[in-house]
Amino acid sequence: GDSVTQMEGPVTLSEEAFLTINCTYTATGYPSLFWYVQYPGEGLQLLLKATKADDKGSNKGFEATYRKETTSFHLEKGSVQVSDSAVYFCALSATSGTYKYIFGTGTRLKVLA
Amino acid sequence: ETGVTQTPRHLVMGMTNKKSLKCEQHLGHNAMYWYKQSAKKPLELMFVYNFKEQTENNSVPSRFSPECPNSSHLFLHLHTLQPEDSALYLCASSQDGLRDPRFYNEQFFGPGTRLTVL
Repeated sequence: GDSVTQMEGPVTLSEEAFLTINCTYTATGYPSLFWYVQYPGEGLQLLLKATKADDKGSNKGFEATYRKETTSFHLEKGSVQVSDSAVYFCALSATSGTYKYIFGTGTRLKVLA
Repeated sequence: ETGVTQTPRHLVMGMTNKKSLKCEQHLGHNAMYWYKQSAKKPLELMFVYNFKEQTENNSVPSRFSPECPNSSHLFLHLHTLQPEDSALYLCASSQDGLRDPRFYNEQFFGPGTRLTVL
């Protein structure tokens, strides 16, 4: 079945450092891919999405490119801020089985001033 | 503020209690979801409702009972829970198109109910 694998955290960075959070997926069809972010005490919020191969999603300085050849959707940001500290979830819209969305386990990011 | 509200935000209950979680969406969406979020585990989809009809039940134990009286409200009735059911329960909604993943829209999440079962 479809699945999502993302790097385990926590990831600790200094302010203005470069961020990469890896995400790879397995899908039998052509899913849409998402990054969601969860700030402390809140629910998940959509950060960015890509609906087809080679699409680049971007928002708030974050970017991710839908790479079909490597089945990846890595999240990047050139210069992180303390306010980016949160848990980041990679997800796909399932193409098989009974699930509509499949989420990864989440990666906690902590940015130090 | 995502347009999805959940009450209560925190709930502590004993194993013999009966309680309900409530979710309300103000976005005009046609689909609503219950998820369970436990530490170090992927987000688990529990139930899906489309146009008030339950379309998916992800092998959830019967001690969890969902109810969707209309497209704006979703409840999760809880009874005789176990300590391992302690988790953050998230509600979400979306405006779903065809049953083709390419037309799935984003899900909007509520802040969750932190449930502790003693």
